[in-house]
Amino acid sequence: GIQVEQSPPDLILQEGANSTLRCNFSDSVNNLQWFHQNPWGQLINLFYIPSGTKQNGRLSATTVATERYSLLYISSSQTTDSGVYFCAVNTGNQFYFGTGTSLTVIP
Amino acid sequence: DAGITQSPRHKVTETGTPVTLRCHQTENHRYMYWYRQDPGHGLRLIHYSYGVKDTDKGEVSDGYSVSRSKTEDFLLTLESATSSQTSVYFCAIIGGSGSGNTIYFGEGSWLTVV
Repeated sequence: GIQVEQSPPDLILQEGANSTLRCNFSDSVNNLQWFHQNPWGQLINLFYIPSGTKQNGRLSATTVATERYSLLYISSSQTTDSGVYFCAVNTGNQFYFGTGTSLTVIP
Repeated sequence: DAGITQSPRHKVTETGTPVTLRCHQTENHRYMYWYRQDPGHGLRLIHYSYGVKDTDKGEVSDGYSVSRSKTEDFLLTLESATSSQTSVYFCAIIGGSGSGNTIYFGEGSWLTVV
């Protein structure tokens, strides 16, 4: 299967700071998604982004499919951004997940 | 909201007992998945289904069986629960079509085997 690596594994930020999370993948994919898992365990879809750049409020994501990586940007972080961020890639109906970046935003 | 409901949401059971987790979807999606999530391992695929009575194994299928007798329900059964099966279990479906497949998760089922 496809290998998915996320970095950094852990990140601690002061409220208001910006951050960049990275997702590398080992082969061509049809799609890439970013998720946020909140402290209650719920997995929330953030972006569906097989290529290009998308923005949603303080969050944006860029995928460079030819170079096999994606970046998730969080600006002006808030305590509610805390949790684990996962990326997932798929080929057809098989999905492969990274092990996540655990983000803690402190007030 | 992809219309996915998991039950039970929390369960404590004893080693050796059978356990069945249910995933119910309301939007007639063809593909359904069961994942488990454990610290340090991320999400790992247990089994998936691509239609009624059509299922296949994932990377961690030992000790688990599944059934899908109707489109809306995908059942995960632990025939004889062990402590190593203590985990959070997520059901998922695919929305979209063709190369634009997007995965959506249920809210999870927390299982503790004592």
